[in-house]
Amino acid sequence: GQQLNQSPQSMFIQEGEDVSMNCTSSSIFNTWLWYKQDPGEGPVLLIALYKAGELTSNGRLTAQFGITRKDSFLNISASIPSDVGIYFCAGQPDMRFGAGTRLTVKP
Amino acid sequence: DAGVIQSPRHEVTEMGQEVTLRCKPISGHNSLFWYRQTMMRGLELLIYFNNNVPIDDSGMPEDRFSAKMPNASFSTLKIQPSEPRDSAVYFCASRLSGANVLTFGAGSRLTVL
Repeated sequence: GQQLNQSPQSMFIQEGEDVSMNCTSSSIFNTWLWYKQDPGEGPVLLIALYKAGELTSNGRLTAQFGITRKDSFLNISASIPSDVGIYFCAGQPDMRFGAGTRLTVKP
Repeated sequence: DAGVIQSPRHEVTEMGQEVTLRCKPISGHNSLFWYRQTMMRGLELLIYFNNNVPIDDSGMPEDRFSAKMPNASFSTLKIQPSEPRDSAVYFCASRLSGANVLTFGAGSRLTVL
């Protein structure tokens, strides 16, 4: 089946720092999705990417769909304590998720 | 809309007991997914249904696990007999078939002693 590799596994940063995480796939996706999971809750969609090369922003979040269609990255600028959680990438068509990046933000 | 509703939220049971987890998808959504989340393995896709029909169950760990969707508004995930290694948070998610956005339930946290 498809392999979805997400890195880094975890990040510990100071409030105000920028964050970058990425996902790579063993095969081509037609859609990349980025989700965030708060403690004790289910994942919630942050950003959806539909075209190779697409760069999309949602507030302090920016995500890009790689040209090869096998990778994507998510950036968070000027992190705040409520950014804490687990960030997942997922791809269409089969909706399998990466292992997640656990983000800790120190005030 | 109430969102995806899962029950129970928490279950503690003893090894060997049968466990049934329940999910009510968002009304109008015709695809339903079951995931299992553990620290070691992350968020694993177990099975998904389109229009109540199982499409891909390759993620179901073994024969002790079974899932059904008798109608468009209800699905169950059953573990019989349960084992300690089944302890995890089980999520149900739904979407319109062909759409991109999965909406997750709050999860069912299972502890098997």
